Amino acid sequence: DAKTTQPNSMESNEEEPVHLPCNHSTISGTDYIHWYRQLPSQGPEYVIHGLTSNVNNRMASLAIAEDRKSSTLILHRATLRDAAVYYCILLNNAGNMLTFGGGTRLMVKP
Amino acid sequence: KAGVTQTPRYLIKTRGQQVTLSCSPISGHRSVSWYQQTPGQGLQFLFEYFSETQRNKGNFPGRFSGRQFSNSRSEMNVSTLELGDSALYLCASSRVTGGTEAFFGQGTRLTVV
Repeated sequence: DAKTTQPNSMESNEEEPVHLPCNHSTISGTDYIHWYRQLPSQGPEYVIHGLTSNVNNRMASLAIAEDRKSSTLILHRATLRDAAVYYCILLNNAGNMLTFGGGTRLMVKP
Repeated sequence: KAGVTQTPRYLIKTRGQQVTLSCSPISGHRSVSWYQQTPGQGLQFLFEYFSETQRNKGNFPGRFSGRQFSNSRSEMNVSTLELGDSALYLCASSRVTGGTEAFFGQGTRLTVV
């Protein structure tokens, strides 16, 4: 299975943009890049996903490198409620088997 | 629209017993996946069911099993419980199988004593 690499933790100030990186150098052509986050004491929450083009939704933006070997989740204005563990996951169309790595723990300072 | 519902929320069982956890997916969703979360191993995939058929299976012993009913509701069963089975068990539902976004429930916290 293609794996992802993320920093263990990142810090941000409230109301500033946050860029969460993810490396996936062994990604295959059929792998989608998914991002989930898990807030304390809650189940994971879907954030965004994409294949090749950059994607935007109400929660975040996803920037995908041209060679698809890396991607960046962008939170445009971090709030205290965005403090969570963020997971970057590769998923193909063979099923919905999410393989969670360690993720990035995002801390947001007021 | 109601979210994913897992019951019970908390459970305490004794070693050697068996347990059944229930998951009701979002209406219209046909794929249900199960995950185990522990502090040491993180989130690990157990299995996925789609249209009452197991589609994928994670690397767990045969004591862990599941099924899905015609209304897409799913149950997972753990037999001969061990202390190491203490974990948060999460269920996720998706509209279809194959790379779509998953919506997670709040989980069932199982404690084995």
